[in-house]
Amino acid sequence: LAKTTQPISMDSYEGQEVNITCSHNNIATNDYITWYQQFPSQGPRFIIQGYKTKVTNEVASLFIPADRKSSTLSLPRVSLSDTAVYYCLVARLPTGRRALTFGSGTRLQVQP
Amino acid sequence: SQTIHQWPATLVQPVGSPLSLECTVEGTSNPNLYWYRQAAGRGLQLLFYSVGIGQISSEVPQNLSASRPQDRQFILSSKKLLLSDSGFYLCAWSHPLKGGRTDTQYFGPGTRLTVL
Repeated sequence: LAKTTQPISMDSYEGQEVNITCSHNNIATNDYITWYQQFPSQGPRFIIQGYKTKVTNEVASLFIPADRKSSTLSLPRVSLSDTAVYYCLVARLPTGRRALTFGSGTRLQVQP
Repeated sequence: SQTIHQWPATLVQPVGSPLSLECTVEGTSNPNLYWYRQAAGRGLQLLFYSVGIGQISSEVPQNLSASRPQDRQFILSSKKLLLSDSGFYLCAWSHPLKGGRTDTQYFGPGTRLTVL
């Protein structure tokens, strides 16, 4: 698995856009980028996945530059309920039935 | 739709006692199953994963073991708990890999284990 690096924590205010960047310099050609969200005392929840350029769903957008050595998770107009830990993962698709590896993630704190 | 269940939700056990945590998945067949542990304020540590009945891969050697007696049942066990076994235990499943399938994992509600 390609190693990922994320900021340990970020702070924001309600209504702002939050961008969390993840570095994955050793990403391989067949690797996909996936982001999970985890609330306290709950399991992580899949947010978004992409390979290149931009992916958008009802929750977030994922921006991936052409060299794919980083990715940015964008959360539009955050609310207090977006306070959580966000994990960036890079894994091959398909992965041959092995498990994903979660790092320490980015702890996002949204203030009123 | 698929659902994943874990029980118990919380557990307090004395050091040296046995452990059995259960995880079941509904609405899918032949899922990949996973056990993770999360210490307070830390990331997830993969403990075991399984690609089929009786097939268990261990990621971290320790006093825990896992079993998969049925296709959608995954059990985490210990004969003698240690203080260091305290943590938040999460079970997850993913689709068996086929063409076009993602490796997305779906997590259960977790079990909070405190060893005293």
